[in-house]
Amino acid sequence: AQTVTQSQPEMSVQEAETVTLSCTYDTSESDYYLFWYKQPPSRQMILVIRQEAYKQQNATENRFSVNFQKAAKSFSLKISDSQLGDAAMYFCAYRSALDAGNNRKLIWGLGTSLAVNP
Amino acid sequence: EPEVTQTPSHQVTQMGQEVILRCVPISNHLYFYWYRQILGQKVEFLVSFYNNEISEKSEIFDDQFSVERPDGSNFTLKIRSTKLEDSAMYFCASTDSLAKNIQYFGAGTRLSVL
Repeated sequence: AQTVTQSQPEMSVQEAETVTLSCTYDTSESDYYLFWYKQPPSRQMILVIRQEAYKQQNATENRFSVNFQKAAKSFSLKISDSQLGDAAMYFCAYRSALDAGNNRKLIWGLGTSLAVNP
Repeated sequence: EPEVTQTPSHQVTQMGQEVILRCVPISNHLYFYWYRQILGQKVEFLVSFYNNEISEKSEIFDDQFSVERPDGSNFTLKIRSTKLEDSAMYFCASTDSLAKNIQYFGAGTRLSVL
């Protein structure tokens, strides 16, 4: 079974600085998707960024980028020019790319709470 | 922008009572999910639903749980006889196409079982 591990329960960053959140996962599959979701105090889950495992190029979305190391099964999130609104819980999630059978669910890490200091 | 809507935002119930959590997925979406998040723990998959039937369920989703799409817009999660350990945040999600693989989430329903 697949697992997702986030080893940093809490992180903090100064406003305008860069922070990297770590995520590792375990799977025997070769094709899958990885996601970072943000959960602000409102508790809504908001998709931050998505990566397909078959793509070597790291995904980027404005100030958010990932470092996807498939061999190491590592998927870290870098937030550049941190803003106060980035303060939230960040979850790493895995989804199998196999659509046959029952593989569509997201498997989640425990989350990293990010504080942004003014 | 279309969004997934969940009601109520907070539900308080007595142990043993039935609760129904409601979700309105994004209108052209076909795949629906329920997850729960017990405070301080991982988000856990409960069930997925497609074409008016359950496509997958976890071991958490026992006989006390059921899902229904009673009309063309609502997607409900029913807990027949709530237990204290059912207290959690319940999230509904939907996706329009497996090819995109992006699940869009509602704001959640906080269920408190007393």
